[in-house]
Amino acid sequence: AIRMTQSPSSLSASTGDRVTITCRASQGISSYLAWYQQKPGKAPKLLIYAASTLQSGVPSRFSGSGSGTDFTLTISCLQSEDFATYYCQQYYSYPRITFGQGTRLEIK
Amino acid sequence: QLQLQESGPGLVKPSETLSLTCTVSGGSISSSSYYWGWIRQPPGKGLEWIGSIYYSGSTYYNPSLKSRVTISVDTSKNQFSLKLSSVTAADTAVYYCARQFRAFDYWGQGTLVTVSS
Repeated sequence: AIRMTQSPSSLSASTGDRVTITCRASQGISSYLAWYQQKPGKAPKLLIYAASTLQSGVPSRFSGSGSGTDFTLTISCLQSEDFATYYCQQYYSYPRITFGQGTRLEIK
Repeated sequence: QLQLQESGPGLVKPSETLSLTCTVSGGSISSSSYYWGWIRQPPGKGLEWIGSIYYSGSTYYNPSLKSRVTISVDTSKNQFSLKLSSVTAADTAVYYCARQFRAFDYWGQGTLVTVSS
């Protein structure tokens, strides 16, 4: 099975900051990667698919990059509503998929 | 607007079978483009894919759960279902159903299932 490892597991930042979350796959997955945002008590929300394509309605301050084994999610100017937990997910072996363990983004 | 809604018991006894149903509205579960999946999240922990099903009945399961999981589909009711047998406290989680086209783009709100006697 393809393992997905996110780093850091948690980070603290302030409104207006630029933050980057990393996701590494245990084998090459081309660009078959998605990112989700999850807020407490809510279902995850799809932000990005195909490593860098923004889902409809997602603000442009979110961006994704990478291919192969290394990927990043960047939030260019943090807003208060962005404090949440973020997950990556590979779908190279679709429909068999795996999630990263999550990165909790907290207010500094 | 597509909507998914999980339903089923919120409390299951150890060693019994957990059964949940996901009802899809605002779209057809028989669409050839999508799989339909189950994902769970233990309290305070991350997301775990359980398995997915195509409208034809083809299924794919997480190897770690495969021996205990059955996912089925009822196209006449626009529903798909999850059965997880021989549950233990470790199966306590919020269970989500979702539409899958590579990524999961539509999710149900989730339902908490607690395993306890």
